[in-house]
Amino acid sequence: GEDVEQSLFLSVREGDSSVINCTYTDSSSTYLYWYKQEPGAGLQLLTYIFSNMDMKQDQRLTVLLNKKDKHLSLRIADTQTGDSAIYFCAERGNTDKLIFGTGTRLQVFP
Amino acid sequence: EAQVTQNPRYLITVTGKKLTVTCSQNMNHEYMSWYRQDPGLGLRQIYYSMNVEVTDKGDVPEGYKVSRKEKRNFPLILESPSPNQTSLYFCASSLYSSGTLYEQYFGPGTRLTVT
Repeated sequence: GEDVEQSLFLSVREGDSSVINCTYTDSSSTYLYWYKQEPGAGLQLLTYIFSNMDMKQDQRLTVLLNKKDKHLSLRIADTQTGDSAIYFCAERGNTDKLIFGTGTRLQVFP
Repeated sequence: EAQVTQNPRYLITVTGKKLTVTCSQNMNHEYMSWYRQDPGLGLRQIYYSMNVEVTDKGDVPEGYKVSRKEKRNFPLILESPSPNQTSLYFCASSLYSSGTLYEQYFGPGTRLTVT
């Protein structure tokens, strides 16, 4: 079945860039998403990319998609302490289901 | 304010005692879904509903029931909870139109402990 994988932890210094990576197996993915989960809260959609795009930029966020390698990344420029959270990658294929990754916990230290 | 609400937010119960977690959305969304979040496993879908009276199993439906009698409500029912259902549960809703599923809005979560 479909699978989405992420590394579990990432630690960066405030002001540096963060890059969170995700790989997926479903070659029929149509949309790929990045969600952010702050402590004690639900998931909030950060951004998404259509499978026919290879890059999307939204202020400090840059999403890169390598469809050939089934690799998605989220780059956060000028990372701030408020960016500390768990980031989930998710993909949607031809079905109506979202498949989520395990989440990457981003820790930003001063 | 557009939102998804869940109740209760926290629940501790004993094995076998039936419980219901409610979910309600005020955005007139067609699509609603339940997920459970466990450490190292991410979010796994339990059940989803494309519209009133239409429900389908997700990846981990065993031990759960749902109903969709009204568009705004999608309760999750555990007829006989067991300790392996201890988890953090999220309800989500989304607009669904012309075969396209739009952004999912998540509730704040319900932390369930079954002893």
